Amino acid sequence: NAGVTQTPKFQVLKTGQSMTLQCAQDMNHNSMYWYRQDPGMGLRLIYYSASEGTTDKGEVPNGYNVSRLNKREFSLRLESAAPSQTSVYFCASSVAFKEPQHFGDGTRLSIL
Amino acid sequence: RKEVEQDPGPFNVPEGATVAFNCTYSNSASQSFFWYRQDCRKEPKLLMSVYSSGNEDGRFTAQLNRASQYISLLIRDSKLSDSATYLCVGGGSGGSYIPTFGRGTSLIVHP
Repeated sequence: NAGVTQTPKFQVLKTGQSMTLQCAQDMNHNSMYWYRQDPGMGLRLIYYSASEGTTDKGEVPNGYNVSRLNKREFSLRLESAAPSQTSVYFCASSVAFKEPQHFGDGTRLSIL
Repeated sequence: RKEVEQDPGPFNVPEGATVAFNCTYSNSASQSFFWYRQDCRKEPKLLMSVYSSGNEDGRFTAQLNRASQYISLLIRDSKLSDSATYLCVGGGSGGSYIPTFGRGTSLIVHP
């Protein structure tokens, strides 16, 4: 009963390095989302994908790119990591926008 | 102005108390609303959906007031285990309006 799986769970990067956060869901959901959560800021939407083949910018997209590889997978890429991107990243999915979202465990990312 | 706003708290209440949170939303076209619970450093988990007629799940009651554009969550007989952050979500109107999370309300239940 996996639900939404995120990898890795923890990562430390140096400024300027790149990396991809992976997210996969096994619930046949159409919509997928990437959020970051910083203390006192709540969940902020980075990018979302309404359905397979589409992606759109959310509230804080700068410095990130995404790929909706197929219906199951939605990856988030940091091309040149910056300390300001130190955060907890959550991936989520839902049947549709108006349905509740299911979250992965999160990726704790530190950039030095 | 954020689309969904919550009082961050913390709400500090004794065990057994009744506590209520409100959450206001700015988009009158919003169709779907939810309450999530988030424990420290964990992922948000769905607590309950919010229906127009109001709904109850055990000690938890959620209500929607469309005229004043807010949703509420009432917790009766608070338990220590209810200590968490409660996030409200509004949105989902049609295909172009994505759901938006509030910043959360912190609840601390003490003995």
